[in-house]
Amino acid sequence: GDSVTQKQGQVTLSEDDFLFINCTYSTTTYPTLFWYVQYPGQGPQLLLKVTTANNKGISRGFEATYDKGTTSFHLQKASVQESDSAVYFCALVASGYNKLTFGKGTVLLVSP
Amino acid sequence: EAAVTQSPRNKVAVTGGKVTLSCNQTNNHNNMYWYRQDTGHGLRLIHYSYGAGSTEKGDIPDGYKASRPSQENFSLILELATPSQTSVYFCASGDGGVGTGQLYFGEGSKLTVL
Repeated sequence: GDSVTQKQGQVTLSEDDFLFINCTYSTTTYPTLFWYVQYPGQGPQLLLKVTTANNKGISRGFEATYDKGTTSFHLQKASVQESDSAVYFCALVASGYNKLTFGKGTVLLVSP
Repeated sequence: EAAVTQSPRNKVAVTGGKVTLSCNQTNNHNNMYWYRQDTGHGLRLIHYSYGAGSTEKGDIPDGYKASRPSQENFSLILELATPSQTSVYFCASGDGGVGTGQLYFGEGSKLTVL
């Protein structure tokens, strides 16, 4: 079945540091890929989405690029802020389906 | 703005008891989902629905039932609750067509089974 792997359980940074969160996926189709963000006490919300057509998503200073060769979909941000502290989930929906499969999530802690 | 509301927000139940978690959406979305979130597991899909009267099994349906009596409402039912079902449960709705993946989540229901 489809799967998404986030190996980093937690990332700790200082403000203005560069953020990189690793995500790899496995599926037999050409999926649409997502990053969701969950702030404390809230449900997850969509951060950005990338399809096979556009290969890159950018939102709120975050960027993710879809690499079919390495089946990776890493999340980056040039300069994090304390307000970016949250849990970040990589997710995919396989072509032809309505089910979203999530990774285990990466907790980002940003200190001022 | 999409709106998904869950009730109750917190629930303590006893082992063997029946628990119903309710979800209401005002987005007129066809698709609705129930996930549970546990540390180390992320979000896992329990049941989902394509519309009123339909329910489908997700990845971890054992021990759970679902009911979609109307476009707006989607319930998750634990007939015989067990401590392993202690978790935070999230309901979501989606406006998709296939593959769109934009889900709108509620704020979660924390369930503790003693």
